[in-house]
Amino acid sequence: EVHLVESGGGLVQPGGSLRLSCAASGFTFSIYAMTWVRQAPGKGLEWVSGISSSGGRTSYADSVKGLFTISRDNSKNTLYLQMNSLRAGDTALYFCAKSTRIEAPGPLDSWGQGTLVTVSS
Amino acid sequence: EIVMTQSPATLSVSPGERATLSCRASESVSSNLAWYQQKPGQAPRLLIYGASTRATAIPARFSGSGSGTELTLTISSLQSEDFAVYYCQQYSNWPLTFGGGTKVEIK
Repeated sequence: EVHLVESGGGLVQPGGSLRLSCAASGFTFSIYAMTWVRQAPGKGLEWVSGISSSGGRTSYADSVKGLFTISRDNSKNTLYLQMNSLRAGDTALYFCAKSTRIEAPGPLDSWGQGTLVTVSS
Repeated sequence: EIVMTQSPATLSVSPGERATLSCRASESVSSNLAWYQQKPGQAPRLLIYGASTRATAIPARFSGSGSGTELTLTISSLQSEDFAVYYCQQYSNWPLTFGGGTKVEIK
């Protein structure tokens, strides 16, 4: 059974940084693209970033480009999201999700339960 | 980026009735379209991918249709557990984009 467990969320001041992690198990992590999706309180889903299975290809939403960095360590079965220069608008529940594909964008067939990031002074 | 627009924002339906949810793309996504269901306090769940293929363990009352810019999710006979928010998502290109969601509520 696929398990995705996010961690690293918390309360951070505007302008601060956080690094989210997503520990994966129950599948061969190294052969699937992975994604971060966020959901602000009471709002819809927003795709944040994606990374190919090898890590060689990444993509970002315009809202986080240049501020967030996605990466992965296939030896540790872990996905990361480094978030810098955080703003109040980044406050959300951050989900990691597994793609059904290796390199190209694809549907997201497994999701973690999310980690909450709150940006506030 | 491809903009996904869902309608209606809220759909009031009685149990046992049919629900039809629409998703429009700002440009063709071919069949690179997924539907997700999200209940309060839960992560989204993949229902449909490839515009019309049900994901594992999804009941047959859920069906997807369409391609290009006009896509539809139909729930043939609503059960109590189907009242939730539904999102469409295109994966034709990065960045992936979601629609704003349709809330299906009890009438």
